[in-house]
Amino acid sequence: EAQVTQNPRYLITVTGKKLTVTCSQNMNHEYMSWYRQDPGLGLRQIYYSMNVEVTDKGDVPEGYKVSRKEKRNFPLILESPSPNQTSLYFCASSLWEGGQARPSEAFFGQGTRLTVV
Amino acid sequence: SQQGEEDPQALSIQEGENATMNCSYKTSINNLQWYRQNSGRGLVHLILIRSNEREKHSGRLRVTLDTSKKSSSLLITASRAADTASYFCATKRQAGTALIFGKGTTLSVSS
Repeated sequence: EAQVTQNPRYLITVTGKKLTVTCSQNMNHEYMSWYRQDPGLGLRQIYYSMNVEVTDKGDVPEGYKVSRKEKRNFPLILESPSPNQTSLYFCASSLWEGGQARPSEAFFGQGTRLTVV
Repeated sequence: SQQGEEDPQALSIQEGENATMNCSYKTSINNLQWYRQNSGRGLVHLILIRSNEREKHSGRLRVTLDTSKKSSSLLITASRAADTASYFCATKRQAGTALIFGKGTTLSVSS
């Protein structure tokens, strides 16, 4: 079954304690991205990756890191989480159309609800 | 910055009625997509319409695209309680690679 898997689904942590949210897709997609969703703000892109070892900042990258060492995995790293990073996080993947910047339909993970106290 | 903006923000209808949601965007696009999100869950892709298409159908969904007005509409016909969800339009910015989502329309269908 084609899917994007995020772990964990729920996480409560304390300020400053490094954490990693994993994301894995089994569709051989080139493009992967991370979003955060907050009430009244919709989905905002944090980071994205067009292929292995190619990552770039989205709209709200501060306080986050990513890596893309393998095509299927795109972990989101919070080196020193703060309460303003409490949010619902989504990983998404999609094909890359003909080498041009035209991402096709995105497949989303089920989300990770992070609370930083 | 937001590319797509959905309208209305919230919509309440009765089962069997049609629901229409609109999306406006700012820059030229390659395609526009609509997604559905059930409460707190991941987004699910509904339909993609390319910039050279004007209308597309998928089951009870009908999407139109007017590139001259930079707008799109999603029509759900004969709505059901199970259609209750948030609906988002998504476009790709002309510069860069990001798929940009609007803030969504929350649809509530009561039986």
